[in-house]
Amino acid sequence: DTAVSQTPKYLVTQMGNDKSIKCEQNLGHDTMYWYKQDSKKFLKIMFSYNNKELIINETVPNRFSPKSPDKAHLNLHINSLELGDSAVYFCASRQTSGGGEQYFGPGTRLTVT
Amino acid sequence: DQQVKQNSPSLSVQEGRISILNCDYTNSMFDYFLWYKKYPAEGPTFLISISSIKDKNEDGRFTVFLNKSAKHLSLHIVPSQPGDSAVYFCAASASGGTSYGKLTFGQGTILTVHP
Repeated sequence: DTAVSQTPKYLVTQMGNDKSIKCEQNLGHDTMYWYKQDSKKFLKIMFSYNNKELIINETVPNRFSPKSPDKAHLNLHINSLELGDSAVYFCASRQTSGGGEQYFGPGTRLTVT
Repeated sequence: DQQVKQNSPSLSVQEGRISILNCDYTNSMFDYFLWYKKYPAEGPTFLISISSIKDKNEDGRFTVFLNKSAKHLSLHIVPSQPGDSAVYFCAASASGGTSYGKLTFGQGTILTVHP
């Protein structure tokens, strides 16, 4: 059973479009994260939700909006996509009362043309 | 400003030998350190971690060493196996405050283990 899953795995779209990436975890964790891995392979935090509440919001354009309908889901909606948004986006989850390790999904490769 | 650095982009070792991956950090607030392994087209997989109250943590073939005064940690894999070939990421976090477990990653080291 997949612990952290993301859909879709690949997403190719044109500039200006709006798209969403979905993330679900079945680990019972209370905190979820979105990371972006850019072309230089750096993994950088974007957002974090704890029990559906936004707790981390790094310097990310307003075009990116996370939404957490419940503890097990954290979706990422991106408006007006730009070429520079092309990257791999990883979802992760963690139990705050547990160890510090986070468990990652398989990633969504977004290509904006 | 890159707070976690892995200065070796790649490392090549022979099967059965020791692999040593290094990581340096600059933020003295970091008190928890992790190593992740990543295969192509997959997400990072947690390997091993260490708290700043320790200087060594061992799990099977994997050992992480922490030198707080030098702000340096290393991952030792012994013996190395071809299946260990992957990208290894070092990560760090600071407890308390507003960190909320945010991980700061290094840029990764590609490990290749030759049969």
